[in-house]
Amino acid sequence: DQQVKQNSPSLSVQEGRISILNCDYTNSMFDYFLWYKKYPAEGPTFLISISSIKDKNEDGRFTVFLNKSAKHLSLHIVPSQPGDSAVYFCAARTSGTYKYIFGTGTRLKVLA
Amino acid sequence: NAGVTQTPKFRILKIGQSMTLQCTQDMNHNYMYWYRQDPGMGLKLIYYSVGAGITDKGEVPNGYNVSRSTTEDFPLRLELAAPSQTSVYFCATGPGARLYNEKLFFGSGTQLSVL
Repeated sequence: DQQVKQNSPSLSVQEGRISILNCDYTNSMFDYFLWYKKYPAEGPTFLISISSIKDKNEDGRFTVFLNKSAKHLSLHIVPSQPGDSAVYFCAARTSGTYKYIFGTGTRLKVLA
Repeated sequence: NAGVTQTPKFRILKIGQSMTLQCTQDMNHNYMYWYRQDPGMGLKLIYYSVGAGITDKGEVPNGYNVSRSTTEDFPLRLELAAPSQTSVYFCATGPGARLYNEKLFFGSGTQLSVL
């Protein structure tokens, strides 16, 4: 039972354009969401997060949007750069716990 | 600071063999996690620990054992290796403050093949 789903395995975007990565979840007890970026042969690194009491969080070129009623979050990267090419994972934490559940990942390729 | 250190980086096992994947952190974090990454399947939580002497199962604990005798170390044990355990294993740590600015820090992974 996949509680956190990333339905697009891959995405290609031109350099300078916007990249939108999507994530859906099923567990209404998730209260905190994170995005991680992973390069080959490296561990995932933290990108940005959002709590369930907010609907938007920005950090430079990265913005995360949360729609609780739709159980959906998205990561926007503007403008996209070739160095952004990586696998992106969304993750969610269940309220009152320290368990972090990750999605299946989306491979982003930014074309120069 | 080394952060989160995993050893070995690569390992090939024969079916039925056993091994321990090591994870050490110098971040003084209370929480430690083991994940496995299979192609197209994302990261699956195997076990996690909220402090020395306390461990709990994640999403896919079968075939694995863990222990947490110190804050720094969280080894993952495979007793009877099976081909289904071929994967990349990641250890992660978190401060466990349950705040909305918390994040996990990952090691660089152990690539394990069971043949």
